[in-house]
Amino acid sequence: AQTVTQSQPEMSVQEAETVTLSCTYDTSESDYYLFWYKQPPSRQMILVIRQEAYKQQNATENRFSVNFQKAAKSFSLKISDSQLGDAAMYFCACVSNSGYALNFGKGTSLLVTP
Amino acid sequence: NAGVTQTPKFRVLKTGQSMTLLCAQDMNHEYMYWYRQDPGMGLRLIHYSVGEGTTAKGEVPDGYNVSRLKKQNFLLGLESAAPSQTSVYFCASSFGPGLTFGSGTRLTVV
Repeated sequence: AQTVTQSQPEMSVQEAETVTLSCTYDTSESDYYLFWYKQPPSRQMILVIRQEAYKQQNATENRFSVNFQKAAKSFSLKISDSQLGDAAMYFCACVSNSGYALNFGKGTSLLVTP
Repeated sequence: NAGVTQTPKFRVLKTGQSMTLLCAQDMNHEYMYWYRQDPGMGLRLIHYSVGEGTTAKGEVPDGYNVSRLKKQNFLLGLESAAPSQTSVYFCASSFGPGLTFGSGTRLTVV
């Protein structure tokens, strides 16, 4: 089983600035996947970015990128050029390659100010 | 493609009443899941299924039952609702790593 910790319950960023959301995880597996999901006020869970643990290269999706530090079991999300539409709850999650369900952190609420 | 569809979207129950939440997916996914989301708790797994006719317990299964009689449907039942089951319930499905979520059901037990 994996445990996922998000130590920042709330974060705030100004529009156009950059913000980094932290996530650490614990797993005994050698092969696993990491995810960031976004949940806007609409409640819909939206996949932001995915990282395979065997890949050394950090995943990027447009303005979203991760800093994956496997030895430190850290998986932070960087949002560049923040937009008002980025305001949401962000959840970090982990699943082993042999598992099924994702294990989620408790989430970070991101506020974007004009 | 509709993806993952949950019904109903909102429901209010009285303590002791029963109800069933329906989840349907049209992506031919093998795996399906039920999570609950509570403030400050993230998403916690209730039950899951790795194929038609199979179910398994997750992290918080007490007070819930599930059935997967057809591959595309995954039902979550509350036999005797309690205020502690007030939550937002999410269904999800997957074929490999990564989940596709439904839009959630907000359930209030009074």
